Amino acid sequence: NAGVTQTPKFRILKIGQSMTLQCAQDMNHNYMYWYRQDPGMGLKLIYYSVGAGITDKGEVPNGYNVSRSTTEDFPLRLELAAPSQTSVYFCAIRPGGGELFFGEGSRLTVL
Amino acid sequence: GENVEQHPSTLSVQEGDSAVIKCTYSDSASNYFPWYKQELGKRPQLIIDIRSNVGEKKDQRIAVTLNKTAKHFSLHITETQPEDSAVYFCAPLLPAGNMLTFGGGTRLMVKP
Repeated sequence: NAGVTQTPKFRILKIGQSMTLQCAQDMNHNYMYWYRQDPGMGLKLIYYSVGAGITDKGEVPNGYNVSRSTTEDFPLRLELAAPSQTSVYFCAIRPGGGELFFGEGSRLTVL
Repeated sequence: GENVEQHPSTLSVQEGDSAVIKCTYSDSASNYFPWYKQELGKRPQLIIDIRSNVGEKKDQRIAVTLNKTAKHFSLHITETQPEDSAVYFCAPLLPAGNMLTFGGGTRLMVKP
């Protein structure tokens, strides 16, 4: 494990609520990513960051926001949660060689 | 970003048989070709990778082959075992590429 910590592990939200998924790393890597994985499906890139202060949209950014004020943290914000955002969210870091190291995931249910 | 496709989407084999999963990509500049394995309820983890200056790489029962001309690379698993049952993903990377796109995944089921 390359030291990627995601919190919370599980969360249930009501429609319209907001929340932040936290992702922290302890190895000072620049590249960080947020993916979502719907049941039985593949990994879709939501947002990514190449360093503090720099973020960019991935394949499915709508309904989400991110910030990268420090190298260590890359929080993902959900505004006005919808049932379509029910998913498992993975944060990942890329130390630079190409390989991605994933956190354990955050399972979100929107009811 | 890169257009990445995997085939087949599901694969069922008998224990001891071989399995092959293919990943095609769109950008000929891609130079890093990994395969990830995701067991049920777990996070994806790298199992093998290859760089563009190498045609094949082997690690015990798994191997990856690269065909840069045809823009595809393949995962080969020999002597499959039940613990190989998982979903496998490819995610080719461009040099200085930042946006990492995954293939749709292949669910491998190994029947004992």
